[in-house]
This record gives sequence, C-alpha cells and structure tokens, in this order.
Amino acid sequence: GIQVEQSPPDLILQEGANSTLRCNFSDSVNNLQWFHQNPWGQLINLFYIPSGTKQNGRLSATTVATERYSLLYISSSQTTDSGVYFCAVDTYNQGGKLIFGQGTELSVKP
Amino acid sequence: EAGVAQSPRYKIIEKRQSVAFWCNPISGHATLYWYQQILGQGPKLLIQFQNNGVVDDSQLPKDRFSAERLKGVDSTLKIQPAKLEDSAVYLCASSSTRTMTSEVGRVRTVIKQYFGPGTRLTVT
Repeated sequence: GIQVEQSPPDLILQEGANSTLRCNFSDSVNNLQWFHQNPWGQLINLFYIPSGTKQNGRLSATTVATERYSLLYISSSQTTDSGVYFCAVDTYNQGGKLIFGQGTELSVKP
Repeated sequence: EAGVAQSPRYKIIEKRQSVAFWCNPISGHATLYWYQQILGQGPKLLIQFQNNGVVDDSQLPKDRFSAERLKGVDSTLKIQPAKLEDSAVYLCASSSTRTMTSEVGRVRTVIKQYFGPGTRLTVT
C-alpha cells in the first residue's frame, strides 16, 4: 500500500521562528490533508491540498503531486502551534480511507 | 453544528477484560470511521461504515475487536478480551462527500473527515 513519510519527527522552536514540515508519499493520491493534533488529542484539519498552494493566516501548504511531496509552512510560530502535525492521504476508489504519516511533533517555546 | 461525540473520554481496564466505546457522528454524515492511534504514531483505520454497512474492516483484529452501526447513526466499538497492546486512543470520524471540478476540468471527490475527541484506553 501507499507509504507516507514525514520529516522531521520532532522540532523545537523559539516563539516567532519559522518552520517547514515535509510529507513524502509513495503513490498518486486523490487528496492530501494536513492535520494539527493539539495536546488534548483533538485532530483539526488545516488544509485539503492535493496540488498547488494554499494559505491560511500564518500557515501555508504546497503540494507538488508530480514529485509526491507536500510542505507545511508555519511562520511567526506561537506557543499555541505546539502539538503534532500529521499529513494524511486518501487514494482513488478507497472511499475516503486516510493513510497517516507518523507525524511531526512541534514544541514552540516562549 | 455539533461535532463528533465520543464516550467515554478515558478508560482503564485490566488485560482480558472487555470494553466498549461509543460514537455519535455529525448529523447527516453517512460514513463513519474508527481509527486506532498508538502513542507516537499516526492514526490507523480499523473499520469504515457506509450507513450501517461495512466498507473496509481489513485492519480490524476480528478475533477480539467488533464494531456495529445498527441504525446507520451511532456506532460502538468493542474489545473482548483486551490485551496490553490495545492501549491507544480510539478516534471516531464521520464524513460528508462533495465533488469538485478543478480549473483544468478534473473531477475530484473531496471527503472531509471530522474527528471526535477520542477515547484514551489504558490496559494494565
């Protein structure tokens, strides 16, 4: 089946710093999503981004489907950005089943 | 709009005991998913329902896990008997589906999954 790999596995930032998280996937996908899991375990969808670039405030994401990777950019990080960031893909004709990467654990220090 | 509800939020049991989790999806969502998230890993799909029928249960350990969605709304996931390695967070999600057409005319199905807060199970 499709493999999803994220890097780095963990990241420590000082408040105000910028960061880039990467997601590689091994096959073509119907859709790619970025999630943030807060310290209480709630998964929140950040972006649906099968291709192209999207921006939402301090966050932006770019997916290059032909090269099978996606990047999540966090600018001017805040302590509330802490948590685990997951990349998840669903493939064609799989009814929406999500395959998750292992996540990047981000810790933003004040 | 109410989100996906799950209960209980936390459960501690001894190995070989049984446990059940409950999920109430977002109203109108036909598809319901149960995921298992072991500490330090991403969620893994256990079972997917479309209304009250099973779409995918290929990764459900059927010797000890069972799930049902009898009326196509609420769902329960049961573990009997539990093992130490079942310690995890069990996430329920539900989804709506819409079709989008891109600028170049490509049709893509967007399936938005909304996740509940999860049930944290500890097996001792």
